[in-house]
Amino acid sequence: GQQVQQSPASLVLQEGENAELQCNFSTSLNSMQWFYQRPGGSLVSLFYNPSGTKHSGRLTSTTVIKERRSSLHISSSQTTDSGTYLCALEHTNAYKVIFGKGTHLHVLP
Amino acid sequence: DAGVTQTPRHEVAEKGQTIILKCEPVSGHNDLFWYRQTKIQGLELLSYFRSKSLMEDGGAFKDRFKAEMLNSSFSTLKIQPTEPKDSAVYLCASSSTGGAREQYFGPGTRLTVL
Repeated sequence: GQQVQQSPASLVLQEGENAELQCNFSTSLNSMQWFYQRPGGSLVSLFYNPSGTKHSGRLTSTTVIKERRSSLHISSSQTTDSGTYLCALEHTNAYKVIFGKGTHLHVLP
Repeated sequence: DAGVTQTPRHEVAEKGQTIILKCEPVSGHNDLFWYRQTKIQGLELLSYFRSKSLMEDGGAFKDRFKAEMLNSSFSTLKIQPTEPKDSAVYLCASSSTGGAREQYFGPGTRLTVL
């Protein structure tokens, strides 16, 4: 089965609402990285988070290894947050990086 | 510092052609990754280099895909011969070897095979 699962697959919000994106994994991990991608764009790194909680502006990433999950919280969403959010697991065998399928976020004005 | 650069940004090829995509990693990064991205499969790892040595060759992609890293600041991905199913965005990323191995991505090459 899939080693990295993201949920939800898609999400529609009204501007100002908060969002919680999840990434669950079934294999051992060195670290988790979260990316943002606009349609047709490349991947922009949001967080590199091996464990614990990190903050950047309206974004918060939390990785809990024992529970095999990582989350990305977006507060007070804006229309410019629309796009795809991807998590990528760096395996303990550091040769392997496994991406989730992404969460497609659409924020309405 | 310049980020990861990729050329060309767009490529159109006829079935059976050979195409070469280029990537320059972030200066000082020793790890370099090639990925393919499609809507159906998402991101798939094609190749992984550490200090110019090929560590992962992407398994299923071996037969027509060949990545090379001739020096620490330049890598190529050759697809030979191309097939329509190779149409995708090809992304290059680099990271440092030790400590926080955060990956930085280039803008990608959009390949269309007719």
